[in-house]
Amino acid sequence: GQNIDQPTEMTATEGAIVQINCTYQTSGFNGLFWYQQHAGEAPTFLSYNVLDGLEEKGRFSSFLSRSKGYSYLLLKELQMKDSASYLCAPMDSNYQLIWGAGTKLIIKP
Amino acid sequence: GAVVSQHPSWVICKSGTSVKIECRSLDFQATTMFWYRQFPKQSLMLMATSNEGSKATYEQGVEKDKFLINHASLTLSTLTVTSAHPEDSSFYICSARVGAFYEQYFGPGTRLTVT
Repeated sequence: GQNIDQPTEMTATEGAIVQINCTYQTSGFNGLFWYQQHAGEAPTFLSYNVLDGLEEKGRFSSFLSRSKGYSYLLLKELQMKDSASYLCAPMDSNYQLIWGAGTKLIIKP
Repeated sequence: GAVVSQHPSWVICKSGTSVKIECRSLDFQATTMFWYRQFPKQSLMLMATSNEGSKATYEQGVEKDKFLINHASLTLSTLTVTSAHPEDSSFYICSARVGAFYEQYFGPGTRLTVT
């Protein structure tokens, strides 16, 4: 079967760094996406990884290890507005995104 | 670029009535759009894949006669919830697939409440 495993909830302090881990199992693999979803809103695209390694984009970086079925999203210099759910979504062989429940990130002052 | 709009943003309807939700790609053509439903604190659930000019592909367990999808043009897909019931109350979100990586861009969502 296909499944995603992420922590349900994480708490971090404003200005700090947090790493959100994701392990996945899919039928085939065509890359992995990270999305941010604020409460009551639709997801917004953050990053895409298809090759192993780290992709950096401003305060956000995403890492992928295909052999381990593992990815993480690294958020630096946390701001209060980063409080949201973060969704790890691998793409399977049919180019369908597989969605988990995401990680709710709570930022405290 | 890659802006997706959705209308209405929220709707309240009475049980037994039908509701139509529109999803538009504003600055690009989308041959493939997706319709999702999300209940509070749960993951996105794919309902169907909508391809321009052809019938939608529904996920297992989604009633195609209840959730009518039409993708008549490259910029518009519609979802009609027919004979709505309170259990259909949910957050409905569309997305369009675009770009070299097949990333999906989401509309702002429609919150449906059936009374």
